[in-house]
Amino acid sequence: SAVISQKPSRDICQRGTSLTIQCQVDSQVTMMFWYRQQPGQSLTLIATANQGSEATYESGFVIDKFPISRPNLTFSTLTVSNMSPEDSSIYLCSVEGVTNTEAFFGQGTRLTVV
Amino acid sequence: ILNVEQSPQSLHVQEGDSTNFTCSFPSSNFYALHWYRWETAKSPEALFVMTLNGDEKKKGRISATLNTKEGYSYLYIKGSQPEDSATYLCAFADNFNKFYFGSGTKLNVKP
Repeated sequence: SAVISQKPSRDICQRGTSLTIQCQVDSQVTMMFWYRQQPGQSLTLIATANQGSEATYESGFVIDKFPISRPNLTFSTLTVSNMSPEDSSIYLCSVEGVTNTEAFFGQGTRLTVV
Repeated sequence: ILNVEQSPQSLHVQEGDSTNFTCSFPSSNFYALHWYRWETAKSPEALFVMTLNGDEKKKGRISATLNTKEGYSYLYIKGSQPEDSATYLCAFADNFNKFYFGSGTKLNVKP
């Protein structure tokens, strides 16, 4: 299994500002995933972060709004830029297990934009 | 966009009641079906990974079944306890092992 430390656990931010969320994994992993869960909605994949290359974004998500860094095999950040109330969500990072049949998650970041 | 649906959205039961929820998913490009238990402010915890049609898995009072031909999975909790209160998520993994989550069933067990 993998242990993921995600921070901050929650934040209340002003619209127009940006927030950077960090995830630290206790082992080296090839891919890290960033998800968002808006109120009442499903967990939705934002992007896949590979070390040494640009992140791959899902339809509806763009790099300018959600820039991602992946400086090494144990760490990644997701920035939510120029926030609006619609960005109020839970953001989760995730990694695959060794067998690729399971996923492990951080504790989540509960973001409220006012 | 691939649709994974969970029902009910929320459930309130008394301690000792048995309960079950449903996850519906597409029957094509199936790789695996995952169930997670997610408590507030904690990481989602993996409960089961099922890959074969007819799979049945059990962990203590919790069990799950899988029907890939008709595209559904059931999660059962026998004798619910207050500590079972959480949101239960299912995720469909396709042939590329990409995860598609349902919106979850929020279970509240009253003592």
